[in-house]
Amino acid sequence: DTEVTQTPKHLVMGMTNKKSLKCEQHMGHRAMYWYKQKAKKPPELMFVYSYEKLSINESVPSRFSPECPNSSLLNLHLHALQPEDSALYLCASSQEGGQYYGYTFGSGTRLTVV
Amino acid sequence: DAKTTQPNSMESNEEEPVHLPCNHSTISGTDYIHWYRQLPSQGPEYVIHGLTSNVNNRMASLAIAEDRKSSTLILHRATLRDAAVYYCILRDRETSGSRLTFGEGTQLTVNP
Repeated sequence: DTEVTQTPKHLVMGMTNKKSLKCEQHMGHRAMYWYKQKAKKPPELMFVYSYEKLSINESVPSRFSPECPNSSLLNLHLHALQPEDSALYLCASSQEGGQYYGYTFGSGTRLTVV
Repeated sequence: DAKTTQPNSMESNEEEPVHLPCNHSTISGTDYIHWYRQLPSQGPEYVIHGLTSNVNNRMASLAIAEDRKSSTLILHRATLRDAAVYYCILRDRETSGSRLTFGEGTQLTVNP
């Protein structure tokens, strides 16, 4: 399995809702990432997990809450979002140490906040 | 991370080679040069990376200038499937678990 699977593919949520994005990989990668991408813009890093520990938080608002329950799963919990948070949310994973083969990205969750 | 400069857009014809340039005049000795591409409606995809020597893989070739201040991604025979945004990224080590920071990239259009 050489994929990063993200669910759901599309999500519409209200500003008072709580929802979660899920990311899964079974490549044995020990680093996992959340990126946010607005239309016609490059992806922007949000969070980095290394060996299930949060290692980088790029000053992301607390309405975004990441969680890494185990080495294969990465969640992004969403609460009280704003319409400007509408974007494509991308998950990625990579090996820690050893031969570098780059990051593997999922196809993303397209989030619309209404 | 040091900054890269790429043209906003480039055009190519199908089955012709494509040379995508990237300038990185402030590159440090420990910066690796990475290339990713993003096809429409997909996440970015790793293409190739290198430090000093030219690199080849099944997708592309990476030519690195002797002074390392620029590099060129070479697609040997462009296909319509190669139409994508190509990102040139510098990263201060080969291992993972650190930042991979995307710039604006080059939008490649491939004409039939």
